[in-house]
Amino acid sequence: TQLLEQSPQFLSIQEGENLTVYCNSSSVFSSLQWYRQEPGEGPVLLVTVVTGGEVKKLKRLTFQFGDARKDSSLHITAAQPGDTGLYLCAGAKTGAGSYQLTFGKGTKLSVIP
Amino acid sequence: ETGVTQTPRHLVMGMTNKKSLKCEQHLGHNAMYWYKQSAKKPLELMFVYSLEERVENNSVPSRFSPECPNSSHLFLHLHTLQPEDSALYLCASSQEYAGEQYFGPGTRLTVT
Repeated sequence: TQLLEQSPQFLSIQEGENLTVYCNSSSVFSSLQWYRQEPGEGPVLLVTVVTGGEVKKLKRLTFQFGDARKDSSLHITAAQPGDTGLYLCAGAKTGAGSYQLTFGKGTKLSVIP
Repeated sequence: ETGVTQTPRHLVMGMTNKKSLKCEQHLGHNAMYWYKQSAKKPLELMFVYSLEERVENNSVPSRFSPECPNSSHLFLHLHTLQPEDSALYLCASSQEYAGEQYFGPGTRLTVT
């Protein structure tokens, strides 16, 4: 059973378009992280959201954490070819001396020049 | 970015071979992780070390054996692997246990 569902799985858009990708779960997370992974490389952390309802902006990227801390979205404005990559969300649960970071399968984004 | 390095980048091994993957972090972090990334599957956490002590072992088969001799180095020893173990193996580190993670470029492993 996948705890984090990411949608869409694949997205191909033209340069300049806007897009939103989603990360949904039935579980509550203490924090949620977004990563971008390019072919042949490891994931690179983009942002961590911690508070329910939190919105964080990173240039043209806007991240939102759901009020119940079960879901998140990433919105990209005016996409550029450099945004191409696999976007991964990861939910963290801590407590009782244990740590679990659960990843979604990712959204593969292609931005066509 | 040379924060977390992994060697080798590519490895082909037979099912009877023994090999080791190496990870080194130059960030002064206290926690290190091994992940497995397979096609069409989410990234899977395999092992977590915090201050050189293993704190997580997510039901990983014994043919995978981690070693953390100090806070900067992490190894994954491999023996008698199966073809389904072919995947990208990623190492990561964080400042503290359960913190934001910095990944290496991975080792692409193929088991024949």
